This record gives sequence, C-alpha cells and structure tokens, in this order.
Amino acid sequence: IVLTQSPGTLSLSPGEGATLSCRASQTVSRTYVAWYQKKPGQAPRLLIYGASTRASGIPDRFSGSGSGTDFTLTISGLEPEDFAVYYCQQYGSAPPYTFGQGTKLEIK
Amino acid sequence: EVQLLESGGGLVQPGGSLRLSCAASGFNFSGFAMAWVRQAPGKGLECVSPISGSSGSTFYADSVKGRFTISRDNSRNTLYLQMSSLRAEDTAVYYCAKVRGGSEWFGDLSLDYWGQGTVVTVSS
Repeated sequence: IVLTQSPGTLSLSPGEGATLSCRASQTVSRTYVAWYQKKPGQAPRLLIYGASTRASGIPDRFSGSGSGTDFTLTISGLEPEDFAVYYCQQYGSAPPYTFGQGTKLEIK
Repeated sequence: EVQLLESGGGLVQPGGSLRLSCAASGFNFSGFAMAWVRQAPGKGLECVSPISGSSGSTFYADSVKGRFTISRDNSRNTLYLQMSSLRAEDTAVYYCAKVRGGSEWFGDLSLDYWGQGTVVTVSS
C-alpha cells in the first residue's frame, strides 16, 4: 500500500489550525493508521494509532480521523513545538507496513 | 521509564558488514515485538524489519532482504540488526522501536517508543 501525504509543506502561524491528509492506494484494513511527529535530531513520536486514538501523553489538540483510504491528522491551535514533519503509517494488512513521505509543518 | 539505546553504527565501506544493537529497559522486553526503522538523509521513514517477542516471526523490507538479519536476546533485553553486503543506499539513521500492541507485530506495527538512533554511513 502506497501512502501519499498532502500537502508536502504547510505554512501556518501559531494559534492556527492544521489539517494534514494521508491517502492510501488501497483500503487500509481495520483503520490501522498511525501518525508520528518527527523533529530534526530527535526520535519519531507516536501521536495517533488506530486512525483516531491518541497515544499516551499526547495533547488533545491532536486528533485523527478517517477510514478506508482517506485519513486526516488535525492539530487545533498550533503551539510553537508542533512545527515538525508528520508521517502517517499503515499497518493493518499484510506487510510491508509503509509510511507516507511526510508533511512538513513550518512556521509562516 | 522505557529506554531504548542503539549502538554499533559507524562508517563502513560498500560490501562491508555491521551489527547494530539496541539495549532496552523499563518494560517487559520479551512481551513486546520490536522493529528497526531507518531514515536516509533527506528521506522519509522505512520499516526495515520487525521481530516478534519470541523471535518466531520476522519480516524484511525488499530493500534489505537477504542482506540483513534481525534477532533478539530476551535474556539480555537486547535487539540486534546484522547488516552485510552494505550499499551506499543503506546510509541512514537506524532506530529501534517498540511495538505498542504486544508480542506480535503482524497486524499491529504502531511503534510507541523509539531510541535516539545510530548513524550508519556506507562509503568508500
């Protein structure tokens, strides 16, 4: 399954809301999609699994939704620390469990 | 506190070998599947290989199949990645990561804890 994330880069200001898209080339079974945040020089951080369940310790401004082939990560009220690269991953069917190419969220 | 500490990276010539290690602590290591994920310079994330808690189930990305071997020693709480016939395109930061769901990775490879990574550079 190929995951295509859009947009490639999103330029927003702190306080604004962000909507990141992840589209799969075929249906992702059991809505098994995860979202990760990646900052330079740091390990990836799991934000969302099962398309909509926040991982432990993740602020509620992060939310995930979607099913089938279309999934969305929404960040409401951007904080300065939210500017990073975000990756979606599908892991619901047979491997390989692929990642999208990433969306860079940058400060406008 | 869950901690994952990778080691073993470095500079190696094309065709060479390297073994990466990941020392785990703060959780029941044998009770969770683990995985190696890499990020090449300027590129996205690629899951190289997962392994079940009992070592009974593994998988390899096509890009490394036949060249890399994942293993684990539950008595030492350590995950390994033996890499051979290395190529320039294997240059990346290699992360070990814990599978969130439990001892099996098939059907649930969300990764809830990651190490800081170890750098592998393949160059002459």
